[in-house]
Amino acid sequence: SQTIHQWPATLVQPVGSPLSLECTVEGTSNPNLYWYRQAAGRGLQLLFYSVGIGQISSEVPQNLSASRPQDRQFILSSKKLLLSDSGFYLCAWNPGGAHRAHEQYFGPGTRLTVT
Amino acid sequence: GQQLNQSPQSMFIQEGEDVSMNCTSSSIFNTWLWYKQDPGEGPVLLIALYKAGELTSNGRLTAQFGITRKDSFLNISASIPSDVGIYFCAGREAAGNKLTFGGGTRVLVKP
Repeated sequence: SQTIHQWPATLVQPVGSPLSLECTVEGTSNPNLYWYRQAAGRGLQLLFYSVGIGQISSEVPQNLSASRPQDRQFILSSKKLLLSDSGFYLCAWNPGGAHRAHEQYFGPGTRLTVT
Repeated sequence: GQQLNQSPQSMFIQEGEDVSMNCTSSSIFNTWLWYKQDPGEGPVLLIALYKAGELTSNGRLTAQFGITRKDSFLNISASIPSDVGIYFCAGREAAGNKLTFGGGTRVLVKP
C-alpha cells in the first residue's frame, strides 16, 4: 500500500531564515506530487505541482520554491522566510495516468510558524 | 480563476441528525471529490465522483455529482460526535492535474 510522509511535523523559524520541508511517497512510482498551504481556518491553496523528476509548475508567485530531485521526493524551500509564510503545509500525491488518477491523497502536514 | 463556493461555512449537529452541504462551481467539472480534515491532520478522501448524476455512498456518507456538472452535494446521515471536522469539496476540470478546493464546511457539535 502507498504511504506519504512529511517532516518535520512542526517548525518554528525566525523571519529571514531558510526553509526546507520534505515529502516522500512510498509504494508507488511516477506519482504526481503537490504542495498546498492552508492558513488557519481556511481552505487549501495550491503552491506547486510536479508530474515528474525535475518538472515543477508554480501556481502562485511567492518567495517559495519546490524541487523534485527523486521520483518520490518533493521538497519545498525558501531562502528567506516572511511572517506571511506561516501556515499548515500539506503534500499530496495521485497516481497520474492510472484509473481514478485524480484522487489526491494527503500527508500529515507540517505546521510552520514564522516569528 | 476557477472558484468553488461551499456552503454552509459552518453548521452545528446534534447526534442522530442528518446534515447536508454542497459546492457550486462557476464552470463544468469532470471530477468531484469530498474530503474530511480533523484538527492538525491532512485531509482524508471520503468519496470520489466521476460521472454526472452519480450517487455514491461510503457508510453513512452519500455524495452526488450534479447533473449540470457544476455542483455536488454531501449528506451525512445519523450524525455521531466523530463527524465533527472540516469537510472540503474539490473539483477537477476536463484537462489538467489540478484540483480546485472549496472553502470548507466546519461541522461542530451543538452545546
